[in-house]
Order: sequence, then structure tokens, then C-alpha cells
Amino acid sequence: QQQVKQSPQSLIVQKGGISIINCAYENTAFDYFPWYQQFPGKGPALLIAIRPDVSEKKEGRFTISFNKSAKQFSLHIMDSQPGDSATYFCAASISNTGKLIFGQGTTLQVKP
Amino acid sequence: GAGVSQSPSNKVTEKGKDVELRCDPISGHTALYWYRQSLGQGLEFLIYFQGNSAPDKSGLPSDRFSAERTGGSVSTLTIQRTQQEDSAVYLCASSRAGLKETQYFGPGTRLLVL
Repeated sequence: QQQVKQSPQSLIVQKGGISIINCAYENTAFDYFPWYQQFPGKGPALLIAIRPDVSEKKEGRFTISFNKSAKQFSLHIMDSQPGDSATYFCAASISNTGKLIFGQGTTLQVKP
Repeated sequence: GAGVSQSPSNKVTEKGKDVELRCDPISGHTALYWYRQSLGQGLEFLIYFQGNSAPDKSGLPSDRFSAERTGGSVSTLTIQRTQQEDSAVYLCASSRAGLKETQYFGPGTRLLVL
């Protein structure tokens, strides 16, 4: 019940295309859902996050869509660029516990 | 400092040896976390510190793993009698007390146990 399942494992998108990564969770107590971006040799960096009281959050080219009834959330990267090539992790947590439960990661490659 | 720092950046050790990994959080961040990232895997929570105490150490995989934090700042993760399955990247993160979900990660220590 603590798992967060992420798909796909890898993704190849053409420059200018839309990248979509999906995550699903079981624990309905989760109330914070961040996405992290990780470049090789670096630690993960917080990209965007959402709480379950909203269905969508947009920051620049990055959008989180959240479906509370389906217990799913997804990251959309619009106008994908080669510089977006990285590994993306979804995560979930219960507020104030300090414990992030991460998905398995998606390696994104954006081809020029 | 400007960000979370970790040392060493790489560590190669022999099976059975003890290792110590260090984390220096962002100044003013009272919460500190350790995660483990195995090859091709997601991040696995190990332990969380609030100040010098560890309210949640549920992710430590065995009693060979321990961590401490002193002075509410630097933390050390110790792995005793290392095994090959301990090979991974060990990541440290920190956050403000009131914003535990907003965690800032260091670059990690890459541990290889031969």
C-alpha cells in the first residue's frame, strides 16, 4: 500500500513533442505529490508538486494532472526540449511525515 | 552553504569493512533525510531527522545501518560490515521544519562494495 507505480520506464520523444509520464498510488492518506528531475551524477531536484484539492497544476511547460478517484497523477512536458532529457521520478507523501515514497523513475530522451 | 553537500562523492570498499557517509544540510534546515538509490531503481527512504532526533528510522534495511546527527546540522550514515548489496547511491536531503515535503537533495555518495 506504500508503493507508487510509475510508467513508462523509458520514453523517447521528438523535440517539440509532448512527454507524458504516469504514476499510480494505493494509499489514500497520501496528500502531496511531487515530481523530481534528475540529471546523471546529480541529486534529484524538485520540479513541480500538487496536492489533491486541485486537479491540475501548471508551471511553464510542466503540468501535473491529478485524478483523485483513480488514484493516478501524471506529468506532461509540453514542447519537449533536448535539455529535458533526464530521469523523472514521481513521489507521494503524507504531510509532515517527512517520508517521500518514490516511483521507479522514467528515463526521458528528447531527440533533436 | 548554498546547497546540501555530501562526502565522499565516491567510495570503494571491500566487503566486511565499515563505511561512514557524511551529509551537510542547507543552513537553517532542521529536517534531514537519507535515501538510497540502487542502480535503475527509485529512491528508497532510510531515515528522517528532526533536529538531532530520528522520529522515523523505518527504512533502515538492517541493524548494520545506523545514522546520527549532532548539533542539528551534519549527519553521518554508517554501514557496518558492508555487503555487496549495499552498493548504491546514498542521497541526503534537507528541508525546513514546516515544509517537510519540499526536500532539497545533495549530489549523493556512490558506494561500491567489492
